[in-house]
Amino acid sequence: DQQVKQNSPSLSVQEGRISILNCDYTNSMFDYFLWYKKYPAEGPTFLISISSIKDKNEDGRFTVFLNKSAKHLSLHIVPSQPGDSAVYFCAASEGGISSGSARQLTFGSGTQLTVLP
Amino acid sequence: DAGVIQSPRHEVTEMGQEVTLRCKPISGHNSLFWYRQTMMRGLELLIYFNNNVPIDDSGMPEDRFSAKMPNASFSTLKIQPSEPRDSAVYFCASLGTGRNQPQHFGDGTRLSIL
Repeated sequence: DQQVKQNSPSLSVQEGRISILNCDYTNSMFDYFLWYKKYPAEGPTFLISISSIKDKNEDGRFTVFLNKSAKHLSLHIVPSQPGDSAVYFCAASEGGISSGSARQLTFGSGTQLTVLP
Repeated sequence: DAGVIQSPRHEVTEMGQEVTLRCKPISGHNSLFWYRQTMMRGLELLIYFNNNVPIDDSGMPEDRFSAKMPNASFSTLKIQPSEPRDSAVYFCASLGTGRNQPQHFGDGTRLSIL
């Protein structure tokens, strides 16, 4: 039973355009969400996070949106650059608000983003 | 500033052999996590430690797998005996004590059991 789902295994976007990566979750106890980026032969690298008390968090070209009623979050990258080509993982945690940190993470299966020059 | 360091980066061995994966967390981090990534199951948590104490090992697949953290700067994940289905990429991650801290991952060990 996948508690965190990324239904699009791949996405291709033209350089300069917006990339939108989606993630759905089923566990209503999740209260802290993160996006990681992963290049081949490297470990996942933290990108951006959001707690369930917010519906939007922005960091430069990256914005994460959270829709709690729909149990859905999305990552927007604007403008997309060829260096953004990587696998993007959505992750979720329970108790992240109270503990202040994401301990036990549940990961989605990832979306391969390709930004075409 | 050194990140999480894992060794070896690649390991190829025959089934039945003992395999030991090593991890050095970021200095000052007090939580350490072992993950396994496979095509079928994606990235799954095997076990995590807090202040060198195992907190949750429910993700460890079976008794052939064991993990230790003898001190704050070193952890091992051992598979004995190894089987071909253990072939995967194994990641270690560490986490600090501050609020809103993300887990930091090492570059993984690619394990192939023949």
